[in-house]
Amino acid sequence: GAVVSQHPSWVICKSGTSVKIECRSLDFQATTMFWYRQFPKQSLMLMATSNEGSKATYEQGVEKDKFLINHASLTLSTLTVTSAHPEDSSFYICSAREWIEGTDTQYFGPGTRLTVL
Amino acid sequence: GNSVTQMEGPVTLSEEAFLTINCTYTATGYPSLFWYVQYPGEGLQLLLKATKADDKGSNKGFEATYRKETTSFHLEKGSVQVSDSAVYFCALSDQGGSEKLVFGKGTKLTVNP
Repeated sequence: GAVVSQHPSWVICKSGTSVKIECRSLDFQATTMFWYRQFPKQSLMLMATSNEGSKATYEQGVEKDKFLINHASLTLSTLTVTSAHPEDSSFYICSAREWIEGTDTQYFGPGTRLTVL
Repeated sequence: GNSVTQMEGPVTLSEEAFLTINCTYTATGYPSLFWYVQYPGEGLQLLLKATKADDKGSNKGFEATYRKETTSFHLEKGSVQVSDSAVYFCALSDQGGSEKLVFGKGTKLTVNP
């Protein structure tokens, strides 16, 4: 099946710094990618939909100025957590949508563990 | 709003045991329903899906039937293997395809030899 990678797999940063997470579709092109956040023992919560060549669509309650999303190519979307604080510590997961013969499937990356000190 | 409720884990079974993981949903209209599996150290993978009432999704010995009358999509497997140990997520989408997925909290399954 299609493969989606994320980099880094984990990151530790100081409060106030910015962190960039990359999401790549390795063997297919994705006009749409999604960013999720997962808290311990909680479900994945959709943060935003990333569209290649246009602005991301954010879910209600997600600060677009804090979580900057750039989908510059058909295989790469980035999430930048700006001025990170301890409450931003979480597991961030991306997915990329592939269309085949009129049916779409989301393929998920392995996730990035962010810890803000 | 839309929501998915699945049984709390963890679930521990012996090899060849019967598995059921319950999933119920709340949604307007007619959502598509999914089961995703996450093996240790890997991303979520689509296990099976159903797009309309009474549809049965199946894959790798797992099955789930879309029950509109009970708003359920329970995951079953007749004989689990050690390799089935993973976290299972029930999800729905009211967009027709896989966009705007709403996930349950996940159920961790451990199968012992």
